[in-house]
Amino acid sequence: EAEVAQSPRYKITEKSQAVAFWCDPISGHATLYWYRQILGQGPELLVQFQDESVVDDSQLPKDRFSAERLKGVDSTLKIQPAELGDSAMYLCASSSTGEHNEQFFGPGTRLTVL
Amino acid sequence: AQSVAQPEDQVNVAEGNPLTVKCTYSVSGNPYLFWYVQYPNRGLQFLLKYITGDNLVKGSYGFEAEFNKSQTSFHLKKPSALVSDSALYFCAVREISGTYKYIFGTGTRLKVLA
Repeated sequence: EAEVAQSPRYKITEKSQAVAFWCDPISGHATLYWYRQILGQGPELLVQFQDESVVDDSQLPKDRFSAERLKGVDSTLKIQPAELGDSAMYLCASSSTGEHNEQFFGPGTRLTVL
Repeated sequence: AQSVAQPEDQVNVAEGNPLTVKCTYSVSGNPYLFWYVQYPNRGLQFLLKYITGDNLVKGSYGFEAEFNKSQTSFHLKKPSALVSDSALYFCAVREISGTYKYIFGTGTRLKVLA
């Protein structure tokens, strides 16, 4: 069964350092999402791509976060510089085009900022 | 604006008993509603969705959900709980216009006691 791949699974970094997360969606899925999930809370959308275009990044802290999906396939989320409050689970999800379609989530990257 | 509420932080149920995890929603127009489950240190897994049609929706692992338009609810149910059902459950609503983004509830932790 096809899955969304994410790496790394865990990342520990010091504040002010740069970190990057990678996501490979299910083949053929045009829509890709990055979420941040703080422990005990629901996922919060950071950025949504349709193919290579950003369709929603209203909740992305653009002074330190950036996301790209250059060829409309895999995607990278970067944080520079990392802050203590960025410690969270970062989830990637993908879905096929169609408003009825559910999302498929990757296993997530657990980020700890020291 | 669309929103979902999960009024219970935690639900405890004895193994073999029926379980209900509550969700209420607020949308303009017809809702697209979803349930996801999350196990520790994992991404979210899709359980079921309501788009239109029959108010009782059946999903994975024996779960079902009942859509109630007059009460704006979409409660998750299972006739007989298993210890392995213990996890974090999220209700989500999808916007039906604009970017069609998903909005997640805060989650309900289900604990099934042996």
